[in-house]
Amino acid sequence: QKEVEQDPGPLSVPEGAIVSLNCTYSNSAFQYFMWYRQYSRKGPELLMYTYSSGNKEDGRFTAQVDKSSKYISLFIRDSQPSDSATYLCAIHQGGSEKLVFGKGTKLTVNP
Amino acid sequence: NAGVTQTPKFQVLKTGQSMTLQCAQDMNHNSMYWYRQDPGMGLRLIYYSASEGTTDKGEVPNGYNVSRLNKREFSLRLESAAPSQTSVYFCASRLAKGEQYFGPGTRLTVT
Repeated sequence: QKEVEQDPGPLSVPEGAIVSLNCTYSNSAFQYFMWYRQYSRKGPELLMYTYSSGNKEDGRFTAQVDKSSKYISLFIRDSQPSDSATYLCAIHQGGSEKLVFGKGTKLTVNP
Repeated sequence: NAGVTQTPKFQVLKTGQSMTLQCAQDMNHNSMYWYRQDPGMGLRLIYYSASEGTTDKGEVPNGYNVSRLNKREFSLRLESAAPSQTSVYFCASRLAKGEQYFGPGTRLTVT
């Protein structure tokens, strides 16, 4: 079983839609959870960072962590064409040097 | 504050040639990383350095060498390039918690 599973999509939605992006993980020792956004031909950009179960909100973005189900989500409200990018989840185990990345979900928001 | 910078942005090599990819960060981060990103494969860790003077292998180290020149700089060397090393290379750095900050990437083609 892979450490992190992420549906690669692609996902195509109309402008204004609510987008849900998800990852599952297998190691209950993982403590820190991140979402990165990567525009085409650019480096990944840290979007959200959280370390506890529950929700964390930042503008139109909400990161949700359910440690009991080993499931993390990123919600985008009122999606915009500028949100079109690949979104990668990343998970970290405290004390480790490494991040474990999902393979990314490609999102297109159509005007 | 430039964050993580990488040079060059693009490079074309012939099989068997060597080159060094340069990375520098100005955030006073302890840990630095080199990844490659290929379609369908996601981000794969090549090497990392937890602190100045130390380096460790990641998931795909074969064919690469690294040098942590000082706290700011971490270089990746291809001694004898192969077509399988055609990829986009990202450098990243991390302070204390899990989150990593990425550079803009180097697009390498080996013919």
